[in-house]
Amino acid sequence: SAVISQKPSRDICQRGTSLTIQCQVDSQVTMMFWYRQQPGQSLTLIATANQGSEATYESGFVIDKFPISRPNLTFSTLTVSNMSPEDSSIYLCSVDGPFSTDTQYFGPGTRLTVL
Amino acid sequence: EDQVTQSPEALRLQEGESSSLNCSYTVSGLRGLFWYRQDPGKGPEFLFTLYSAGEEKEKERLKATLTKKESFLHITAPKPEDSATYLCAFTTSGTYKYIFGTGTRLKVLA
Repeated sequence: SAVISQKPSRDICQRGTSLTIQCQVDSQVTMMFWYRQQPGQSLTLIATANQGSEATYESGFVIDKFPISRPNLTFSTLTVSNMSPEDSSIYLCSVDGPFSTDTQYFGPGTRLTVL
Repeated sequence: EDQVTQSPEALRLQEGESSSLNCSYTVSGLRGLFWYRQDPGKGPEFLFTLYSAGEEKEKERLKATLTKKESFLHITAPKPEDSATYLCAFTTSGTYKYIFGTGTRLKVLA
């Protein structure tokens, strides 16, 4: 499976600011996904990011709040904009597998706390 | 509406005490059923993919099975290092979108 890294691993931010989270993969992948995991809850898909096209957002998530870039086949960023305490969550990126696009592999996550 | 329910929410086992975790789903057109393990502060770690009823997969002390309505993750003779949250998820035909359950928090006591 691919080796996935995320930066930063954690951050504490002030209300109203923005944070950009980076996701780097050690091999080229077709699809990259961004998830949110709120405290004590399971994972919710924010958007799917394919290289060369606009990200596809799930219901309840909008581009103005969570802009995503996918400049190449190994890298993506998610920005959490104009943050509020409700945005405090773990943000995870995942990629489809090398042998099957059905299986996703996850990065270590970014733990965000908004004060 | 497609949905998945995991039970129990939490489970405490003694080392060596085998048990099963349940993932019940209501899906129109199941594409795949996935099991992940998540340790505190880490991303989910892939365990198994199941595609059709009757399919079984094994890895060390874990075995995943699938029926038309549910999937089980059987843990045989667990060890303390098996303590984690176990998540199931599914995808439906025509999409790669994962729908995750809320997980089962497993604690194995030495």
